[in-house]
Amino acid sequence: SAVISQKPSRDICQRGTSLTIQCQVDSQVTMMFWYRQQPGQSLTLIATANQGSEATYESGFVIDKFPISRPNLTFSTLTVSNMSPEDSSIYLCSVVLNRATGELFFGEGSRLTVL
Amino acid sequence: AQTVTQSQPEMSVQEAETVTLSCTYDTSESDYYLFWYKQPPSRQMILVIRQEAYKQQNATENRFSVNFQKAAKSFSLKISDSQLGDAAMYFCAYRSPTGTASKLTFGTGTRLQVTL
Repeated sequence: SAVISQKPSRDICQRGTSLTIQCQVDSQVTMMFWYRQQPGQSLTLIATANQGSEATYESGFVIDKFPISRPNLTFSTLTVSNMSPEDSSIYLCSVVLNRATGELFFGEGSRLTVL
Repeated sequence: AQTVTQSQPEMSVQEAETVTLSCTYDTSESDYYLFWYKQPPSRQMILVIRQEAYKQQNATENRFSVNFQKAAKSFSLKISDSQLGDAAMYFCAYRSPTGTASKLTFGTGTRLQVTL
């Protein structure tokens, strides 16, 4: 398993502002994944963050809205830009330790509330 | 595209009893992975159990076991001797062996209540 730390754990933000979520892993991993979980909903993949290259975004998510950094093999950030109440969600960082099985290990999530 | 369906938004079980959570999926692939994840109120997603599609034997992890029916595309989770700590949201997830490594498709979840 892995220890995945996310900051902030929760935050209340004003409409139109941006917030950066940090994800720190206690071991080196090739790929990190950012998921969004809207209230009462399932998880939706936002993007895959690869070290040394641009993130790969899923349909419906764009870099201008969710810029991602991946400066090294243990750290990534997700920024939620120009927030609106619809961005109120839990944002989860996850990693794969076993590429053969692909099972994900998750951080504790960052709960954002946009007023 | 693969889809994962959990038809039970909520389930309830008495402590020490057994409960089964349903999951069906749609895929044209023959080799894939299936997972059950647990999300307690603390929010952290925890892997409960994993099943490889090429294995006929159902996976088991202590009190958790699955009933994997490949032809029916069904992947149910059985929790035996339920405990209060089992109360959580349970998500079924599918992983394709192709495309983006480890892109998981999640179901909508089943909220499990455990009563005394």
